Amino acid sequence: GDSVTQMEGPVTLSEEAFLTINCTYTATGYPSLFWYVQYPGEGLQLLLKATKADDKGSNKGFEATYRKETTSFHLEKGSVQVSDSAVYFCAPGSSGGSNYKLTFGKGTLLTVNP
Amino acid sequence: NAGVTQTPKFRVLKTGQSMTLLCAQDMNHEYMYWYRQDPGMGLRLIHYSVGEGTTAKGEVPDGYNVSRLKKQNFLLGLESAAPSQTSVYFCASTRGETQYFGPGTRLLVL
Repeated sequence: GDSVTQMEGPVTLSEEAFLTINCTYTATGYPSLFWYVQYPGEGLQLLLKATKADDKGSNKGFEATYRKETTSFHLEKGSVQVSDSAVYFCAPGSSGGSNYKLTFGKGTLLTVNP
Repeated sequence: NAGVTQTPKFRVLKTGQSMTLLCAQDMNHEYMYWYRQDPGMGLRLIHYSVGEGTTAKGEVPDGYNVSRLKKQNFLLGLESAAPSQTSVYFCASTRGETQYFGPGTRLLVL
């Protein structure tokens, strides 16, 4: 079945540091790829997505590129802020028949210190 | 537009008790999902529904039942709660690829 492996945390950075959170996946076919973010005490919300190979998703300064050859979707941000402190989840999608499901990674906790 | 709401926000149960978690969405979405989130485990799919009157099992369905009698509501039931069901439960809905999540229900089973 589908699976996803993302970098284990926790990750602690200083403000304005560069961030990379690695994510690799196995899936049937070429699914859409997602990063979700969970701020403290809240539900998950979509951060960015990419729907086909070589697509780059971006939002709030975060970027991730759909790499078919390495089955990866690494999350990057050039300069993190304290407000980016959250848990980040990589999630390849899957489509089968009439449903659409996501397979979530275990999450990476990011803490950004001032 | 409230999005996805969950009731209750927090609940404490004793082993063997039953309860129902309610998820409601006002976006007219067809698909709805129930997940549980445990430390170090990410989110795991319990049950899901592709439309009113339909439900299907996810990755960890044992000990849970669901119903989707109305399109906007998706209920998750625990018939006989166990300590292993202590978790944070999230509901989500979608019409396409993007899932919209509720704020979660924290459940503690003693």
